[in-house]
This record gives sequence, C-alpha cells and structure tokens, in this order.
Amino acid sequence: NAGVMQNPRHLVRRRGQEARLRCSPMKGHSHVYWYRQLPEEGLKFMVYLQKENIIDESGMPKERFSAEFPKEGPSILRIQQVVRGDSAAYFCASSPGVEAFFGQGTRLTVV
Amino acid sequence: QKEVEQNSGPLSVPEGAIASLNCTYSDRGSQSFFWYRQYSGKSPELIMSIYSNGDKEDGRFTAQLNKASQYVSLLIRDSQPSDSATYLCAVILGNQFYFGTGTSLTVIP
Repeated sequence: NAGVMQNPRHLVRRRGQEARLRCSPMKGHSHVYWYRQLPEEGLKFMVYLQKENIIDESGMPKERFSAEFPKEGPSILRIQQVVRGDSAAYFCASSPGVEAFFGQGTRLTVV
Repeated sequence: QKEVEQNSGPLSVPEGAIASLNCTYSDRGSQSFFWYRQYSGKSPELIMSIYSNGDKEDGRFTAQLNKASQYVSLLIRDSQPSDSATYLCAVILGNQFYFGTGTSLTVIP
C-alpha cells in the first residue's frame, strides 16, 4: 500500500505564474487535508476535502487559492498569480477517517 | 488562546534519558489526539494516537492523556540521537486537525 504521494517535490515559479500541486491519497482514504509550512514555523491548516466536496476551506486565502478533490484522480491545490510570500512547503495528508498520514510535501519557490 | 499549545523548546536530553514533551489544548470537546515527529526538511510522521484517558505505550514511546486537565504528553524512554526532531501535537476539532508549533528535541550522545 503506497503512501500519500505528492508531486512535484520541488516547484519553482516566477511571480505571476500558476502553481499546481498534486496529492494522491493512500488507497481507501477519502479525506484529504492541505497544510502550509513556513521555515521554522508550524503547520497551518488550509483546506479539508472529501471526494468531490470541500468540507472546510477556512484556512485558505480567499483569493488566488483553490482546491479540488475530484471523483477520479488526485487532489489539486492551485495557486494563481503566485507571489514571493507563497514560497513554502505544502503538505497534504490523507485519512480514512481519523488518523492522518502525510505526503512528502511540495516545496514551492517563487522567484 | 491557541487551540493547541506546546513549549517550543529546544529540549535537550542526554542519550539514554527520558524525554518528556507536553501539550495543552483549549477545547474540551476534542476527542482524538496525536503525536507526530518531523525531521528537519521532512514531512510529519504519525508516531502515536490516543483517544481515552490514561497511558498508551508503543515501544519506547508512551502517550498520556488527561482530558480533565486538557493535557497530552509524550514520553520517550531510552532516548537516542535518532530521536532528535521536532515533535508536533495534534488535536481533531470539528473538521480540522489543529497542530501545535512543535517542540524541538535534541538527544546528546
């Protein structure tokens, strides 16, 4: 049973470009969480999704950020018109219902 | 008040000693509690979960939960240099996992 898969592991974008981060949950897991982590800081909740539904997006900025978890395929975190302040590690975690397991993260650098 | 609070440390213990990590949470409705370990530059790894009052042991790790005091702790016995990492306490509240900012542990050989 493969773990939570995130890709790409590293992503460099110029200011104003779009970033797409992908997360494939563990088999049998229907819950996905996205977190952002800045260096030397804690994990900040962004969004919680179940298949085809956004359950809680209270931690996600209202502008430029969106997330989806379609019936088929990975969960996608999309950041439009990236700015330098978006540079961070983005982690997704999947859960069958309670315990959550993290992917290896995508490190986004905006230049 | 933050939902989950941890002493950021750093906490240093000699090899072979017991490391004690503490966490408090604000909402009495919380039912599920977790400890994650995060090595520098890596992703968090689930090491313990606890749901009822008392102790839960797994190898060298013991999680302790006291719901009356809203307190969760993690004890690491016979600490090893490989235990040096940041330890994150997490609590489920509503639809979210709330994480503390983590306690940095260094085990000195």
